[in-house]
Amino acid sequence: ETGVTQSPTHLIKTRGQQVTLRCSSQSGHNTVSWYQQALGQGPQFIFQYYREEENGRGNFPPRFSGLQFPNYSSELNVNALELDDSALYLCASSLGQGTLNTEAFFGQGTRLTVV
Amino acid sequence: GESVGLHLPTLSVQEGDNSIINCAYSNSASDYFIWYKQESGKGPQFIIDIRSNMDKRQGQRVTVLLNKTVKHLSLQIAATQPGDSAVYFCAENNPSGTYKYIFGTGTRLKVLA
Repeated sequence: ETGVTQSPTHLIKTRGQQVTLRCSSQSGHNTVSWYQQALGQGPQFIFQYYREEENGRGNFPPRFSGLQFPNYSSELNVNALELDDSALYLCASSLGQGTLNTEAFFGQGTRLTVV
Repeated sequence: GESVGLHLPTLSVQEGDNSIINCAYSNSASDYFIWYKQESGKGPQFIIDIRSNMDKRQGQRVTVLLNKTVKHLSLQIAATQPGDSAVYFCAENNPSGTYKYIFGTGTRLKVLA
């Protein structure tokens, strides 16, 4: 186990709705990254939070937003859900940022289905 | 563009044999690489990493080789076991400053009894 926990594990939403996914990072880790993994594909970077501020963003529209809290846990919010948003959403925690590259540890993911 | 690709989408090996999973990356400035294992219904699990100042790193039953000349990464698994069956991803760190990992589409490893 990585110590990174995500909730919920599964979720079904209707197109146009909003969703909030949650992640608790591994103890001591101050950086959280979110990834979207479509079926049969590798994870795609959404954004990263470091010390409560967004620290890099991938090619995702603004309706994907996030937060990081003082305890380094994080939320991913998606507004105006589309069918193509159906995917496994992964949270990864790591320590530090900048030039020191360190391994990122993933949670088990939240499987979001948009109908 | 940025990409991490894998040569073989599916690799089948006999139990006990060695497995080699290959990966090509496109960004010559990438300086950190990770191999992840993902089992069905689970998140990616860290296996081993390597920095660009190294060309080989060994772990327990796994070895990662990095060839920066041809931008190639490989994962070798010794004495492959049924529990090794999974999808394997290589990921490169984007040195542009966004601190994201770029993943390929993965290679499925099937271990035959």
